[in-house]
Amino acid sequence: DTAVSQTPKYLVTQMGNDKSIKCEQNLGHDTMYWYKQDSKKFLKIMFSYNNKELIINETVPNRFSPKSPDKAHLNLHINSLELGDSAVYFCASSQGAWAGQGAPTSSVEETQYFGPGTRLLVL
Amino acid sequence: DQQVKQNSPSLSVQEGRISILNCDYTNSMFDYFLWYKKYPAEGPTFLISISSIKDKNEDGRFTVFLNKSAKHLSLHIVPSQPGDSAVYFCAASAGTGNQFYFGTGTSLTVIP
Repeated sequence: DTAVSQTPKYLVTQMGNDKSIKCEQNLGHDTMYWYKQDSKKFLKIMFSYNNKELIINETVPNRFSPKSPDKAHLNLHINSLELGDSAVYFCASSQGAWAGQGAPTSSVEETQYFGPGTRLLVL
Repeated sequence: DQQVKQNSPSLSVQEGRISILNCDYTNSMFDYFLWYKKYPAEGPTFLISISSIKDKNEDGRFTVFLNKSAKHLSLHIVPSQPGDSAVYFCAASAGTGNQFYFGTGTSLTVIP
């Protein structure tokens, strides 16, 4: 009955490879996110999708491509992995049906629920 | 450019005493703040929130205080329990959507 799940939990791979991380939420939320936590423990947003549409795309190399087949899933595909991609990647979801403008209408919508994280190590 | 800062990477407190975790922000447009708690090998879990129309929000042993003029918020845990030992992140949003900016976290250890 996990609310937000990610697979795999651990991923060790060589430089130059292509890999995917999957995320699924069973909370019925409309918005999903990918965050990267680097070695300095800084948790930074990468992407946000609302109802399968991209709404936030921070300055992230285009080797990273999110894909949302439906609103319960947001996968992250990474091409040509580099050493600096080593980090913990967290998926999250929130109820808010925010369409990219204006503030969410309630604090309940804003609360984000996180997955357990995927620890990526690029060798 | 880090808009949310937690300047204390770690804090140790005796069981039963008060834990005070601090968070500073630079963006005066931030109007909604949250605290998350994170155990090792797990994702952050929501703890408590406060909007800028309030200066205090309480939930059981957890109280968050907001000082808008100082751009400072704090989380008080009273009494502290060993199970509170975790990393605590504060996060802030400018209300332009669900984009949150996170601090780097404070690792709290409650000593039995």
